[in-house]
Amino acid sequence: GGIITQTPKFLIGQEGQKLTLKCQQNFNHDTMYWYRQDSGKGLRLIYYSITENDLQKGDLSEGYDASREKKSSFSLTVTSAQKNEMAVFLCASSMRGGYAEQFFGPGTRLTVL
Amino acid sequence: GDSVTQTEGQVTVSESKSLIINCTYSTTSIAYPNLFWYVRYPGEGLQLLLKVITAGQKGSSRGFEATYNKETTSFHLQKASVQESDSAVYYCALGASGGSNAKLTFGKGTKLSVKS
Repeated sequence: GGIITQTPKFLIGQEGQKLTLKCQQNFNHDTMYWYRQDSGKGLRLIYYSITENDLQKGDLSEGYDASREKKSSFSLTVTSAQKNEMAVFLCASSMRGGYAEQFFGPGTRLTVL
Repeated sequence: GDSVTQTEGQVTVSESKSLIINCTYSTTSIAYPNLFWYVRYPGEGLQLLLKVITAGQKGSSRGFEATYNKETTSFHLQKASVQESDSAVYYCALGASGGSNAKLTFGKGTKLSVKS
């Protein structure tokens, strides 16, 4: 088996601040994802990376940057934190391909003051 | 675009009673989507419950079943007799079939509370 680690677990920032969330996986999966979950809503895809040198925008990429530093790690940067984007950010990974199960990390809860 | 609509909010069921959580999907980008049910138990991360990649087939896990119905574009989750340990939030999702694109579109989630 494997595990996905997200750091930090809780992230508190000021409005307008640049904030970075990190994700590591040891499944040796090719594909990694960042989702945002607002209270009472489903998961929305922010960015994903099919392979190590790839970066794809999801439905909610505006206001975010992402970086796939190596196969096992995928970072997400909130470029200018806003109060309306307080949410839980989930990282996931999968083998390449549409049939593949996605494995999720425990999440980072973002609070913007 | 793609969308998933499932039973909204919270569902409360008495232990040993039957359960159905409705899920319907709409897609313009994927001819034959794969369909998934994910679950988040209290204090745990999101995990796959079951998946079906072929229309007309049924998936099952932990006593739960879901049938991929292409005619009605539905993938309802059912269980004949729920237990307290089934209390969790359930998410229906659809994804691309094959290829290199494996992104998922999720429903908003349904919170199941099983009372003893």
